[in-house]
Amino acid sequence: DSGVTQTPKHLITATGQRVTLRCSPRSGDLSVYWYQQSLDQGLQFLIQYYNGEERAKGNILERFSAQQFPDLHSELNLSSLELGDSALYFCASSVAPGAEDEQFFGPGTRLTVL
Amino acid sequence: GESVGLHLPTLSVQEGDNSIINCAYSNSASDYFIWYKQESGKGPQFIIDIRSNMDKRQGQRVTVLLNKTVKHLSLQIAATQPGDSAVYFCAENDSGAGSYQLTFGKGTKLSVIP
Repeated sequence: DSGVTQTPKHLITATGQRVTLRCSPRSGDLSVYWYQQSLDQGLQFLIQYYNGEERAKGNILERFSAQQFPDLHSELNLSSLELGDSALYFCASSVAPGAEDEQFFGPGTRLTVL
Repeated sequence: GESVGLHLPTLSVQEGDNSIINCAYSNSASDYFIWYKQESGKGPQFIIDIRSNMDKRQGQRVTVLLNKTVKHLSLQIAATQPGDSAVYFCAENDSGAGSYQLTFGKGTKLSVIP
């Protein structure tokens, strides 16, 4: 158990809908990362927050947004969902925001768009 | 458990033998590398890292080798055990670009034959 929690574990929805994925980082970790893992693209970095502020942006679509709240939990919002958005979404956390700060991954949310 | 990828290269190894997993990275400016292990149904887990000023680093039963000339990284697992069965990813970072994000490889599935 990494100490990072993600909810829900599974999510099934229809095209065009909007969903919110939630992540609670390890106690004491200030940085949160979101990743998408699909069969054809592998693990793709989406976005990073540090202490409530956006720190780095990766391959995140405009239909997706995220935020980190004062209690440090984070939410990833996915809207206008398409079939291709079906994937595993992982949250990770680290104490500090650098690439060399070990990231601890949560168990993921499996999103299925029908 | 969750299926991480159906099209990954697969390495099958007899229990007790040594395993070597290879990774070709893309960015010649990358100066920090990590190996992750992802078991079925779980998020990636840090195994070992190496900076570009080193060509070898050892951990517990694992060794990472870095060849910057050919942009190649390898992970050696000694005395492979059934619990080592997982997908292994390499990840790279170019700190000189001011980037905090990791770029992940596609992964290799290791199957340990008891």
